[in-house]
Amino acid sequence: GNSVTQMEGPVTLSEEAFLTINCTYTATGYPSLFWYVQYPGEGLQLLLKATKADDKGSNKGFEATYRKETTSFHLEKGSVQVSDSAVYFCALSEGDDMRFGAGTRLTVKP
Amino acid sequence: GAVVSQHPSRVICKSGTSVKIECRSLDFQATTMFWYRQFPKQSLMLMATSNEGSKATYEQGVEKDKFLINHASLTLSTLTVTSAHPEDSSFYICSASRLATGGRDTQYFGPGTRLTVL
Repeated sequence: GNSVTQMEGPVTLSEEAFLTINCTYTATGYPSLFWYVQYPGEGLQLLLKATKADDKGSNKGFEATYRKETTSFHLEKGSVQVSDSAVYFCALSEGDDMRFGAGTRLTVKP
Repeated sequence: GAVVSQHPSRVICKSGTSVKIECRSLDFQATTMFWYRQFPKQSLMLMATSNEGSKATYEQGVEKDKFLINHASLTLSTLTVTSAHPEDSSFYICSASRLATGGRDTQYFGPGTRLTVL
């Protein structure tokens, strides 16, 4: 079956540091891949997505590339800010099957 | 780990009828539950945030009279789609927030409910 494995947190970085949150997936077909962000007390918000191999999703300085050969969709940002502190979820969607990673809590310190 | 269930997993109904979807946290008490819907090949869209014993907070553009949310206990939230129409056909997912050690919330997702309105 389909599954998502996400880098465990928590991750603590200093402002302006480089961020990578690893995400790998297992899928039987050709899923769409997503990164969602959740701020304290709020629901998920879509951060970025990619629907086919080699697509790069990007938003607010975050990027992730759909790598079919390595079944990965790692999230990166070149320079994090304190306001990026949140929980990040990697997810895949294939038809009615939606799978989430466990979430990675990121804390960015000034 | 913690488990969140949804019932039913699939439902087909006639236009004009109402459908209730349940979201249960099976082995923990959920401080907050969220309801999302997903259109084919699209991302999740947050519909509402539900806290036990209080009225749900709906996102802009979501009709509260059409999508009734009841969070009667710390383990159960229900979403009722009233007077359903074909455009309400979608995949509905809930998530439950569990207060973990150190005061941090952890999210657990239900498997989703496919609603088809004929």
